[in-house]
Amino acid sequence: EAQVTQNPRYLITVTGKKLTVTCSQNMNHEYMSWYRQDPGLGLRQIYYSMNVEVTDKGDVPEGYKVSRKEKRNFPLILESPSPNQTSLYFCASSLGRNRGRREQFFGPGTRLTVL
Amino acid sequence: GQQVMQIPQYQHVQEGEDFTTYCNSSTTLSNIQWYKQRPGGHPVFLIQLVKSGEVKKQKRLTFQFGEAKKNSSLHITATQTTDVGTYFCAGPDRVTGGGNKLTFGTGTQLKVEL
Repeated sequence: EAQVTQNPRYLITVTGKKLTVTCSQNMNHEYMSWYRQDPGLGLRQIYYSMNVEVTDKGDVPEGYKVSRKEKRNFPLILESPSPNQTSLYFCASSLGRNRGRREQFFGPGTRLTVL
Repeated sequence: GQQVMQIPQYQHVQEGEDFTTYCNSSTTLSNIQWYKQRPGGHPVFLIQLVKSGEVKKQKRLTFQFGEAKKNSSLHITATQTTDVGTYFCAGPDRVTGGGNKLTFGTGTQLKVEL
């Protein structure tokens, strides 16, 4: 089944404790992206990647890191989480940026709480 | 950078009533996408519009892309309880992302009462 998977689905952690949220897709998609969703603010893009070893900042990249060493995986790293990073995180992927290939497939989401 | 606003933020309707959400971008968009997110779920792609003035229909849903390609609307005819969720528009940010960065609207949350 074609899908985007995220792990963990729920995480409660403490300030300053490094964490990684994994994202994997099995559709051979070039484009992958991370979003955070907060009430009243919609979905805001954190980082995106056009292909392996190519990553770029989205609208809210501060406090986050990403890597794209393989096409299928796009982990989100919080080196020193803070309470303002408590949010619902979504990973998404799409075929590419060409016309007709931009439909984004979203993972199930990771609900992160930083105490 | 680019800003994409949606109105209204919330809408409660009685089942059978119509519903419309509007999406306005601060910059011209090359294309616009619409997504639906059910409560507790993840966004799911509905449609993409590319041409100025384009109108597309999916059963009771009608999507429009403005002539100036800066605004869009989603209209649902005769809402049903299955329409409940949050509807987002999204467009590529050419100002700061060269078109590769995607900006989502703030979303419109639809509730349908029996």
